[in-house]
Amino acid sequence: DTAVSQTPKYLVTQMGNDKSIKCEQNLGHDTMYWYKQDSKKFLKIMFSYNNKELIINETVPNRFSPKSPDKAHLNLHINSLELGDSAVYFCASSHSWGGMNTEAFFGQGTRLTVV
Amino acid sequence: RKEVEQDPGPFNVPEGATVAFNCTYSNSASQSFFWYRQDCRKEPKLLMSVYSSGNEDGRFTAQLNRASQYISLLIRDSKLSDSATYLCVVNFANAGGTSYGKLTFGQGTILTVHP
Repeated sequence: DTAVSQTPKYLVTQMGNDKSIKCEQNLGHDTMYWYKQDSKKFLKIMFSYNNKELIINETVPNRFSPKSPDKAHLNLHINSLELGDSAVYFCASSHSWGGMNTEAFFGQGTRLTVV
Repeated sequence: RKEVEQDPGPFNVPEGATVAFNCTYSNSASQSFFWYRQDCRKEPKLLMSVYSSGNEDGRFTAQLNRASQYISLLIRDSKLSDSATYLCVVNFANAGGTSYGKLTFGQGTILTVHP
């Protein structure tokens, strides 16, 4: 059973389009994250959610809108895609967002290419 | 100062060598720390948590120096399978030491172990 699963694995789309990436975790974790890994391989946090509530938004453009229908899901919708959005997007989850139980488990990533 | 800073390497070592990675972090109130590894085109995976007194897991030893805001990872008897990018991760906290969901990654250190 995949603990954190993302779909799709690959996404190729044109500039200006709107796309969504879905993420689900079956670990019973309360906290979920979205990260962006750019071409230089730097993993940058975008959003953190705890029990469906947004707790961190790292100055991400408002073209990016996360949605958490329940604590097991955190989807990412991107409007008006730009070339600079091309990257690998990772979803992750952790038991909690504080204390020692914050080790995160990652999905396999979604490789987004904007052309 | 970068939030989490690592020497990007690359480190090229022969099998059996001992190699050490260092990491510094800017948030002095941080309470939890981790090392992850990431293989090429894969998701990051937890290698080990880092505890205040230092901890060991087989060939891997992690150390934390809170006063210097410094974390290290030592790998003994390197194997070919240790080739990967090693990521230092810090769970940032506010002045009171409470984490606020910002699990922050360093840029990673590339390790190549050769025969």
